[in-house]
Amino acid sequence: GAVVSQHPSWVICKSGTSVKIECRSLDFQATTMFWYRQFPKQSLMLMATSNEGSKATYEQGVEKDKFLINHASLTLSTLTVTSAHPEDSSFYICSARGAQETQYFGPGTRLLVL
Amino acid sequence: DAKTTQPTSMDCAEGRAANLPCNHSTISGNEYVYWYRQIHSQGPQYIIHGLKNNETNEMASLIITEDRKSSTLILPHATLRDTAVYYCIVRARSNDYKLSFGAGTTVTVRA
Repeated sequence: GAVVSQHPSWVICKSGTSVKIECRSLDFQATTMFWYRQFPKQSLMLMATSNEGSKATYEQGVEKDKFLINHASLTLSTLTVTSAHPEDSSFYICSARGAQETQYFGPGTRLLVL
Repeated sequence: DAKTTQPTSMDCAEGRAANLPCNHSTISGNEYVYWYRQIHSQGPQYIIHGLKNNETNEMASLIITEDRKSSTLILPHATLRDTAVYYCIVRARSNDYKLSFGAGTTVTVRA
C-alpha cells in the first residue's frame, strides 16, 4: 500500500519549453501533496505544498509563476516547469500525505534542459 | 521543527545489525521522529516513525531515549540493498505536515 507514481521518470527538453510532471497516489487519496527538488550531491529541498482544490503554497525563493502546480483531484498533482532553462535541470520528487500523516514519495523525475 | 544531527557516514557489515544514531536535543513534546532512506537516484522511502515509544516494523526498529533527545534506527540484518542515505527528521504535529531534509547519514553495507 501507499504507492506514489511519477511520470515521466526522465525528460530532456530544449531551453524555453515547458515540461509537465505528474504525481499520482495509486492506492490512497491524498488531500496534500508536496513537490521537492534535489540537485546532485545535495539533499531534498521542499518547493511547494499542494492541497486538493486550492492554490499551492510555495516555499521562500520558489517562483510560483515558473513552477505551476495543480492538484485537481485527490490522486493527482502536476508540476509544470515553464520556460525551462538549464539551471532548472534537477531531480524532481513528489510526495503524498497518507495514513498517520506520513508522506510517501514518488520515484522522482529527472529533468535535463539543454 | 527541531534540528537533527546525524553522522555523515558509516559502514556496516552485511548480515550484522546497523545502528544509526540521531540527535534531536531540542525536540518538543508534540514532535515526531521520522526515518526515511534514499537509495541512489530514487525517491525517499519511508521506514518508520515514533513519538515517544519504541517502534518496530518489518523494516526496522526505532529506539527513542526516555528524554526524547536522541534516537537510534536499527536495521536488524543489513543487506547490500540497504546501502542508502538515511534521514532522521523531526516533524511537529501541525497542519502543514512538512518534512525538512538534512544531509542524512550515508550508510554503506559491505560484503
